[in-house]
Order: sequence, then C-alpha cells, then structure tokens
Amino acid sequence: EIVLTQSPATLSLSPGERATLSCRASQSVSSYLAWFQQKPGQAPRLLIYDASNRATGIPARFSGSGSGTDFTLTISSLEPEDFAVYYCQQRSNWPRTFGQGTKVEIK
Amino acid sequence: EVQLVESGGGLVQPGGSLRLSCAASGFIFSSHSMSWVRQAPGKGLECISFISPTSNTYYADSVKGRFTISRDNAKNSLYLQMDSLTAEDTAVYYCARDLSTVTRVFDYWGQGTLVTVSS
Repeated sequence: EIVLTQSPATLSLSPGERATLSCRASQSVSSYLAWFQQKPGQAPRLLIYDASNRATGIPARFSGSGSGTDFTLTISSLEPEDFAVYYCQQRSNWPRTFGQGTKVEIK
Repeated sequence: EVQLVESGGGLVQPGGSLRLSCAASGFIFSSHSMSWVRQAPGKGLECISFISPTSNTYYADSVKGRFTISRDNAKNSLYLQMDSLTAEDTAVYYCARDLSTVTRVFDYWGQGTLVTVSS
C-alpha cells in the first residue's frame, strides 16, 4: 500500500497569503495524484487531478505540481472560503490511498 | 446536474449487517466506475471498495471478506453490503464517481451516510 505523508499538519495563515502544502508518496505514483478540499460536515471536493489539472469550476488560485514522489498544492492568495482541510490522494495503485490531511486555519 | 444520494446508514450492533445504497442521477451511470470511501469521526479518508462499469471489484484489506459492493445499472444505483460489523467500521460512508474509466479520480461525491456500530 502506498503511504502518502502530508506536511505540515496545520498551516496558520491570513487571508491574502500564499499557502504551500506538500504531499510525499512512499513510492512513485507517476502523476496520478489528486488534491481534495473538505470543509466541516461536507463531502470532499476535487481540486486538482493528475498532479496539475484543475477540476471543473476550481479557481485559478489553486495550482498543483510535482511527479513521482513529491507533490505540492499552492493556493496563491487565500480567500476566506479556502480555510479547510486538504487531502492528497493517489490512484497509481489499489487501494487508492489518502494523506492524513493538512488543515489550513486562519491565523 | 450530477447527484449522488446515499441512504441506509444507522445504528447497528457489533456483528450485525447493513446495506448502503447510493442513488445516482444526472449522468450515464453505467459508463462510470464507482467507489465507497469512508471517514471515521474526526479522522481521514479511506477508500474501501471500487466497482467498474462491468462490475470488476476491488476491496481494501480492512473490509475484504466482510463487505460486498454491487451495482444495478438499470436502477442507477450502487450498493454496499456490510456484514460482521465492528466498532472500527463506524464512519460516514460516501459514494464517489470516477471522472472516467481512463481518469480514475473522484470527481463527484454524495453527502454521506453515517454508520454507527455500537451495542
């Protein structure tokens, strides 16, 4: 099973600041890495798939990069609605696994 | 509009069974792979089962032999039969759709149904 490790666990930032979230895989997942956003009481929402492709309707302030084992989600300028938990997830091997999440909180 | 609506959750005793359903609408259900993903209270996400349009299935080790995924393309419905439940199965269960059979990423999710295993 591929283990995804996200860092940091918590990111404390102010609106307007840049957020950089990391996800490291225990073995190569090629570019088969997605990012999801989850708010309390809601289902996850797909943001980025295959490392760098924005999902339908996702604002351009969200971007993804990386390949192999190291990936990054960048939010260029945080909006109030962006404070949430973010998960990375790989689809290279079954079972599809998720990272443990990074909480982006208001500083 | 794509919609996925789960039902069937509730309180069940350890060792009991439960059947979850996911009603799909707004897309050609028979063309998409589907999965069940669960989230224990305050915890992360775990993909537990997958079914292709032609009913090829995969299971996480944590549920293999106890859970069975199935689909009825005529009814646009996905199911999860859960047997031999334990407290560790307590979670919100989401059904999720794959964007395509080539790009297997969860692009739509239901709102979830809570399963509580307790005596």
